[in-house]
Amino acid sequence: DAGVTQSPTHLIKTRGQQVTLRCSPKSGHDTVSWYQQALGQGPQFIFQYYEEEERQRGNFPDRFSGHQFPNYSSELNVNALLLGDSALYLCASSLGGGTGDEQYFGPGTRLTVT
Amino acid sequence: SQQGEEDPQALSIQEGENATMNCSYKTSINNLQWYRQNSGRGLVHLILIRSNEREKHSGRLRVTLDTSKKSSSLLITASRAADTASYFCATKRTSGSRLTFGEGTQLTVNP
Repeated sequence: DAGVTQSPTHLIKTRGQQVTLRCSPKSGHDTVSWYQQALGQGPQFIFQYYEEEERQRGNFPDRFSGHQFPNYSSELNVNALLLGDSALYLCASSLGGGTGDEQYFGPGTRLTVT
Repeated sequence: SQQGEEDPQALSIQEGENATMNCSYKTSINNLQWYRQNSGRGLVHLILIRSNEREKHSGRLRVTLDTSKKSSSLLITASRAADTASYFCATKRTSGSRLTFGEGTQLTVNP
C-alpha cells in the first residue's frame, strides 16, 4: 500500500521562473492538500483539492495554483517565483473532502529560488 | 497566520527522561493532532484527540486537551535518541477541514 509520494525531491529555480510540483495521494484517498513550510516554521495551508476542484484556499496569492486529476493526483504550480517562495512544499492526502480526520503527508519537495 | 503556539521552542533532555511539549490555540476546534518531523522531511501523524476528549495515550505518548484553556500537551515518556525531531500541534477547526499548525518544538534527546 503506497503512501503519499511527491516529486521531485529537490528543485532549484531562478526568480521569475515557474515551477510545477506533483503529488500522488495514498491509495484509497481522494483529497489532496498542499502546505508550504518555510525554514524553522510550521506548515501553512495553501489549498485543498477534492473532486478535481479547489475547495479551500489559504492566504496565498494567485501565483499559486493547482490541479487535481481524475486519478486523484495533484499538481501545485507557482508562477513568477520570488526568493520568499523557497520552502518545503508538503502534500497531504485524506478522504472525503477533508472530512476524514487524519491527513497523511508526503516527504515533501524542497524548492530553492535563487 | 499560525493559530497554535508551541512551548518551548526547543527542548534538550537526556535519554530516559520525559519530554513535555505544550500547545495553545485561539479558536474553537474539532480536534487537535500532533505530528513529528525529522530533519525537514515529511510529517508523521502521532496522535489525534477530539474536542470532547481530555486525555489520550498511544504507546509512550500521552496527550491532554483542555478546551477551556485552549491548550494541549504532549508527553513522551522514557525518551530515546531516536525521538529527536520537531514536534508540531495542528488544529482542525469545527468548520472546514484544513489543518492549522503551530511553530513547533525542536526536541533533542541526548544519548
